[in-house]
Amino acid sequence: GQQVQQSPASLVLQEGENAELQCNFSSTATQLQWFYQSPGGSLVSLLSNPSGTKHTGRLTSTTVTKERRSSLHISSSQTTDSGTYLCAIVGGMLSGSFNKLTFGAGTRLAVCP
Amino acid sequence: EAAVTQSPRNKVAVTGGKVTLSCNQTNNHNNMYWYRQDTGHGLRLIHYSYGAGSTEKGDIPDGYKASRPSQENFSLILELATPSQTSVYFCASGVKGGGYAEQFFGPGTRLTVL
Repeated sequence: GQQVQQSPASLVLQEGENAELQCNFSSTATQLQWFYQSPGGSLVSLLSNPSGTKHTGRLTSTTVTKERRSSLHISSSQTTDSGTYLCAIVGGMLSGSFNKLTFGAGTRLAVCP
Repeated sequence: EAAVTQSPRNKVAVTGGKVTLSCNQTNNHNNMYWYRQDTGHGLRLIHYSYGAGSTEKGDIPDGYKASRPSQENFSLILELATPSQTSVYFCASGVKGGGYAEQFFGPGTRLTVL
């Protein structure tokens, strides 16, 4: 089945530093989504980026579909960015009714003041 | 404000007991999902639903049942709970079709089976 690998598994930064998170997947992704999971556990969608480059606030995602990889760049990190970042893909053709997300295990980010 | 809520937020159950986890969404989404999250595995899909009255098996359905009595509600049922089902469970809702896969998640339920 589809596999999603994220790296690094964990990352520690000083506030103000930039972070680069990687997501590699085993098959063609027709949809790719980055999530943030707070230390309390809640999940929030950050952005959806099946191909190309997308920006939102301090986040930039670049997905190279043919190379089966995506990255999430966090600029000028803040302590409130601490948490786990999850990558999820929809592989294969998008169905008419249901598109299954396959998740990676995540990158745990800690930003120190 | 549209939201996905789950109850209970924490649950301790005994082996062999029945556990029901509930999910309610006000997004008016057709699709709903149940996942579990374990260390090192990310989120894995247990069951999903296209709408009221429908339930479908996900990737790891063994030991779980699901029920979708209405558009808003989706339950996950563990008829005979086992310690291996100790996990954090997430419910999500999503738009049906249209090539759009974004899902909106509830806060999670931490289940411990002793």
